[in-house]
Amino acid sequence: AQTVTQSQPEMSVQEAETVTLSCTYDTSESDYYLFWYKQPPSRQMILVIRQEAYKQQNATENRFSVNFQKAAKSFSLKISDSQLGDAAMYFCAYRSNGDDKIIFGKGTRLHILP
Amino acid sequence: DTGVSQDPRHKITKRGQNVTFRCDPISEHNRLYWYRQTLGQGPEFLTYFQNEAQLEKSRLLSDRFSAERPKGSFSTLEIQRTEQGDSAMYLCASSFTLLNYGYTFGSGTRLTVV
Repeated sequence: AQTVTQSQPEMSVQEAETVTLSCTYDTSESDYYLFWYKQPPSRQMILVIRQEAYKQQNATENRFSVNFQKAAKSFSLKISDSQLGDAAMYFCAYRSNGDDKIIFGKGTRLHILP
Repeated sequence: DTGVSQDPRHKITKRGQNVTFRCDPISEHNRLYWYRQTLGQGPEFLTYFQNEAQLEKSRLLSDRFSAERPKGSFSTLEIQRTEQGDSAMYLCASSFTLLNYGYTFGSGTRLTVV
């Protein structure tokens, strides 16, 4: 069974600094998708960034970028120029191309220090 | 239609009572998912529908849980004879058949069983 592991329950970063959230996953599949979702306090979960496993180029969305290491089964999220609004739970997630559901990690709570 | 709507936002019920939650997906989305999220955990898959057909159910979904999507639009999740262990956030999400872009989540229904 596929699993997603986020080894950092909480992290803090100074406003305007850069922070990296770690994620590893376990799968025997070769075709899959990876996601980072953000869940602000008491608000709905939103998709931050996604990566197709067949693409070697790392995905980027404005201040958010990923470091996708397929062989190592690692998928970290880098947030540049951290802002107070980035404070949230961040979930790493995986979906096999042959499956219809997304599997989530346990999350990393990110605090932004003013 | 600006997103996925869930009703109610909060529900407090006594142990042993039945509760029903409603989810209205984005109208053009044909897939609808239910997840459960307990404190400190990531969302766990419960079940999903494609149109009105329930295609998969997790083993987490005991006999006390039932979900329906009668006309392929809104969905209901019912929990019978609630237990304290059912206390959680119940998240609904919707998507197109192709999940490359992940899900769109609702704000969730927080259930507290006392």
